[in-house]
Amino acid sequence: AQSVTQLGSHVSVSEGALVLLRCNYSSSVPPYLFWYVQYPNQGLQLLLKYTTGATLVKGINGFEAEFKKSETSFHLTKPSAHMSDAAEYFCAVSEETALIFGKGTTLSVSS
Amino acid sequence: DAGVIQSPRHEVTEMGQEVTLRCKPISGHDYLFWYRQTMMRGLELLIYFNNNVPIDDSGMPEDRFSAKMPNASFSTLKIQPSEPRDSAVYFCASSFTRSGNTIYFGEGSWLTVV
Repeated sequence: AQSVTQLGSHVSVSEGALVLLRCNYSSSVPPYLFWYVQYPNQGLQLLLKYTTGATLVKGINGFEAEFKKSETSFHLTKPSAHMSDAAEYFCAVSEETALIFGKGTTLSVSS
Repeated sequence: DAGVIQSPRHEVTEMGQEVTLRCKPISGHDYLFWYRQTMMRGLELLIYFNNNVPIDDSGMPEDRFSAKMPNASFSTLKIQPSEPRDSAVYFCASSFTRSGNTIYFGEGSWLTVV
């Protein structure tokens, strides 16, 4: 069965610092991997996704993630955090159609 | 373009009452999903439909929960009778066929059962 583990339920960074949100997956077949962001009182918005091809995926708002099959990881990074990045981030895996989500990581950004 | 539209956005109801949540998927999408979000359990898939047919309802917590999709542009999630532990945010989402396609979420229905 497919699953996702997000390491760290809460990550705090300073404005301008590197953002690193960790995600490991379990899947019996090559997976499709996603990162979604949820701002307070809003729905989920797609940041980026990996389906096939290039393992380094670039998304919106300066985020990117790298699919590493050997490590079963899909960590999300951003070189320089901005105050507006404060939100909850969800990693998700899909084998067929429905997405299975991790528990989420809350990102706090301080000035 | 209109996204996934959910109603009501907020609902407060008393225990034992029937609750109906509504969803209009993005036009042309043939998959529709219902998720529930709570602090304790995170985002859980409740049920999903393909071409209006329920495909997997293994995530529906109890018989008190039911979902229908009478046509391609409308779906409901009903809870009868409601209980305080049903308090959560319920998201509807839709996508085109094919694995790997982006799933688009609505703004959610915030349900409080008192």
